[in-house]
Amino acid sequence: DGGITQSPKYLFRKEGQNVTLSCEQNLNHDAMYWYRQDPGQGLRLIYYSQIVNDFQKGDIAEGYSVSREKKESFPLTVTSAQKNPTAFYLCASSRDTGYEQYFGPGTRLTVT
Amino acid sequence: GQQLNQSPQSMFIQEGEDVSMNCTSSSIFNTWLWYKQDPGEGPVLLIALYKAGELTSNGRLTAQFGITRKDSFLNISASIPSDVGIYFCAGRRNQGGKLIFGQGTELSVKP
Repeated sequence: DGGITQSPKYLFRKEGQNVTLSCEQNLNHDAMYWYRQDPGQGLRLIYYSQIVNDFQKGDIAEGYSVSREKKESFPLTVTSAQKNPTAFYLCASSRDTGYEQYFGPGTRLTVT
Repeated sequence: GQQLNQSPQSMFIQEGEDVSMNCTSSSIFNTWLWYKQDPGEGPVLLIALYKAGELTSNGRLTAQFGITRKDSFLNISASIPSDVGIYFCAGRRNQGGKLIFGQGTELSVKP
């Protein structure tokens, strides 16, 4: 079954710790994206990658880092520098950056 | 960054009623997408529009790419309880450009 998986569904961390969110796709898509969603708001782009070993900052990249070592995988690290990390994080992929994006189920991160 | 203006923010309707929502931008877009998000889940793509004036249906859902290329509309006919959720519009100004999302329309359907 083709799709995008994110794990875990819920994640709890103490303030000051880095945490890595997983995103895997088996759709053979070149482009992958990370978005942040806060209650009552739209999606804001954190980072995106058009191809393996390349990625670009989105609108709110500060306090986050990514890697794209494999086509299928685009992990996001929320660092201790992110001032307000508690949010719902969504990963998406598309055939290319000009095509429609498909989303994973999301990871809800809570930092206390 | 640029925002899309999506309205209404929320709607409370009776089962069986039709629903209309829209998205507007100050810039011309070449792509409009409509997504639905259930609580705690990722958005699911409903309809994609690529040409001004294009009208596309997906079951009871119909979306249109506005002639001015600055707006898009989504209609849901004969609503049912499972239509409940948040509907997002998203637009792109040029090929390869970033998707810009609206704030969402939260739909509640009373049986």
